[in-house]
Amino acid sequence: GAVVSQHPSWVICKSGTSVKIECRSLDFQATTMFWYRQFPKQSLMLMATSNEGSKATYEQGVEKDKFLINHASLTLSTLTVTSAHPEDSSFYICSARIVAGAAETQYFGPGTRLLVL
Amino acid sequence: GQNIDQPTEMTATEGAIVQINCTYQTSGFNGLFWYQQHAGEAPTFLSYNVLDGLEEKGRFSSFLSRSKGYSYLLLKELQMKDSASYLCAVMDSNYQLIWGAGTKLIIKP
Repeated sequence: GAVVSQHPSWVICKSGTSVKIECRSLDFQATTMFWYRQFPKQSLMLMATSNEGSKATYEQGVEKDKFLINHASLTLSTLTVTSAHPEDSSFYICSARIVAGAAETQYFGPGTRLLVL
Repeated sequence: GQNIDQPTEMTATEGAIVQINCTYQTSGFNGLFWYQQHAGEAPTFLSYNVLDGLEEKGRFSSFLSRSKGYSYLLLKELQMKDSASYLCAVMDSNYQLIWGAGTKLIIKP
């Protein structure tokens, strides 16, 4: 079946550094990818919707200059957390959407744990 | 390899009870999550099980058997608004989430 991967799985970094997280659809092309943030035992919070070849659409309250999203190809979207601070520590999950006719399926990645010291 | 299986689609009647099963084979286990996702929306957290047994939360209950690699989500007194996709996800030994493909639940009047 369709698989979405994320790299890296874990990141530990110092405050003030930038971190890039990759999201790849491994055996399908995804025109749309989503980036979520998850706090322990809570719902996934949508941060932004990434469309291939165009600018990402950010949810209210998400700083686009802090969370840079690039969707340069149909199989890769990247999220860069710029000048990371401890409050950015979280579990970041991406997903990729396939649309086939009227049917739409969303596949989720395994997540990336970010710890900012 | 790691694998999560759940039915693709289920249909139930308003007011009835439905059980959505999830079986898993993962490298390690650090808990199982159930999420509800309505079309076009982000997944909503429903439950987290890490120990065997049944956890009840209102109309929704979740059961886990680690020895069998099995969980189910039980929805009682079904309402039309319960029509959604239900996602089962297991956190493995590396604290990565392994996702099922989701079960689309259709509620009929």
